[in-house]
Amino acid sequence: GQSLEQPSEVTAVEGAIVQINCTYQTSGFYGLSWYQQHDGGAPTFLSYNALDGLEETGRFSSFLSRSDSYGYLLLQELQMKDSASYFCAVLTYGQNFVFGPGTRLSVLP
Amino acid sequence: GAVVSQHPSWVICKSGTSVKIECRSLDFQATTMFWYRQFPKQSLMLMATSNEGSKATYEQGVEKDKFLINHASLTLSTLTVTSAHPEDSSFYICSARHLGGNRGDTEAFFGQGTRLTVV
Repeated sequence: GQSLEQPSEVTAVEGAIVQINCTYQTSGFYGLSWYQQHDGGAPTFLSYNALDGLEETGRFSSFLSRSDSYGYLLLQELQMKDSASYFCAVLTYGQNFVFGPGTRLSVLP
Repeated sequence: GAVVSQHPSWVICKSGTSVKIECRSLDFQATTMFWYRQFPKQSLMLMATSNEGSKATYEQGVEKDKFLINHASLTLSTLTVTSAHPEDSSFYICSARHLGGNRGDTEAFFGQGTRLTVV
C-alpha cells in the first residue's frame, strides 16, 4: 500500500521559520516532491529530492532521508502569501505522484 | 516552464448528464497524463493514468465506465464524467510530466483544475 503522513495544520507568524514533516511508505520510490496549493487553485511545484540531503531554493528548502523514509519542507521568513496547503508527494515506480494528506499553513501578522 | 491548460475551469450540470473536461499540454508532448480528484480540504487522489494511443489505467475503486478517458494525441487528454450525480461534485485536476525538461521528468505540471458541481 501507499501512505504518506503530514501534520494537518501549522500556524506561525510572519517572519518566522516553519518545518513541515512528511513520512512515507510506498511501493517504489524515485523521489519526494513538495507542492503548494492556495484555496481554489491548482498545485504548484516547489521542490523535488531524489537524493539524501538538503536542497535550497530561495526561502524554501527541502530535505530527504531515504533510509528514514522521511522528508521535510522548511519555509523561512514567512510571508502572509505563504498561507496555503502544502503537499508532499512521492514519485512512484508507476510514474505517478502519490500525494500526502496536506498541511494547512496559516501565517499570522 | 511547461504549461498545462485545463478547460473548463468550472461547470454546473444537471444530474444524469455528462460533462467533458479537456487537458492540454501547450508547449510539450505528454505521452502520459494523470487525472486527480480532490474533495474539499482533502488531498489529491489519483483516478487514472491516461496513455496516448492506449487505454487508460484506472485506480482501484474508480469506475472506468463512469469516468471515460481519451488520450487521442500527444497534447490532449479528456475526462468525461458520464451520468453525473451530486456525489461526483469535486475538483478535478489533470497533470502531465514534461520528459526532457529542465528538471528532467521530475516535475509534474498541473492544469488549473475544473470545479464540477452536479445539481
